[in-house]
Amino acid sequence: RKEVEQDPGPFNVPEGATVAFNCTYSNSASQSFFWYRQDCRKEPKLLMSVYSSGNEDGRFTAQLNRASQYISLLIRDSKLSDSATYLCVVNADYKLSFGAGTTVTVRA
Amino acid sequence: EAGVAQSPRYKIIEKRQSVAFWCNPISGHATLYWYQQILGQGPKLLIQFQNNGVVDDSQLPKDRFSAERLKGVDSTLKIQPAKLEDSAVYLCASSFGLAGGEETQYFGPGTRLLVL
Repeated sequence: RKEVEQDPGPFNVPEGATVAFNCTYSNSASQSFFWYRQDCRKEPKLLMSVYSSGNEDGRFTAQLNRASQYISLLIRDSKLSDSATYLCVVNADYKLSFGAGTTVTVRA
Repeated sequence: EAGVAQSPRYKIIEKRQSVAFWCNPISGHATLYWYQQILGQGPKLLIQFQNNGVVDDSQLPKDRFSAERLKGVDSTLKIQPAKLEDSAVYLCASSFGLAGGEETQYFGPGTRLLVL
């Protein structure tokens, strides 16, 4: 079983729509969680950390469910510039494990 | 602030040849990582340095891959001899401390390797 699993998508959504996707992780001892964004042929960049109580950053909302071992990301009012691959990252003892990513394409 | 620098950006070699990649982390960052990202997959950690010491190299194919960070600053990753399945993007990343808690990991632009 992979340490971090994501639905690869792609999620094709119109501008202004809301899109949400999940990531599951296998190590119940994982301590911290992140979403990274990776544009086509670019390097990954930190989008946001995921806190136990859930957190928002503008149009982005991240949730953590430790009991079910999944993390979610919701994007509201999608923009064309949100088109990217979103990587779920899980930390256990300062070792980061990356999911394969969920691709989101926002169309005009 | 300058980001993580990597070179070369692209490399095409034939199988069984050798290749080396270079990385210069963000100034002051003690932790340096090398990742391999195969098309359609997430980055996979190859090796992690804390200053000039190896923290984790459990996923480094040591029969053909080697890495060093002799002075605790820049680093080189070498593949000798290369195989077709080594075709990937090699990403270098750095962080001030150990990434995963409050520390953020910053990635370089990567080196795209194609093995023919």
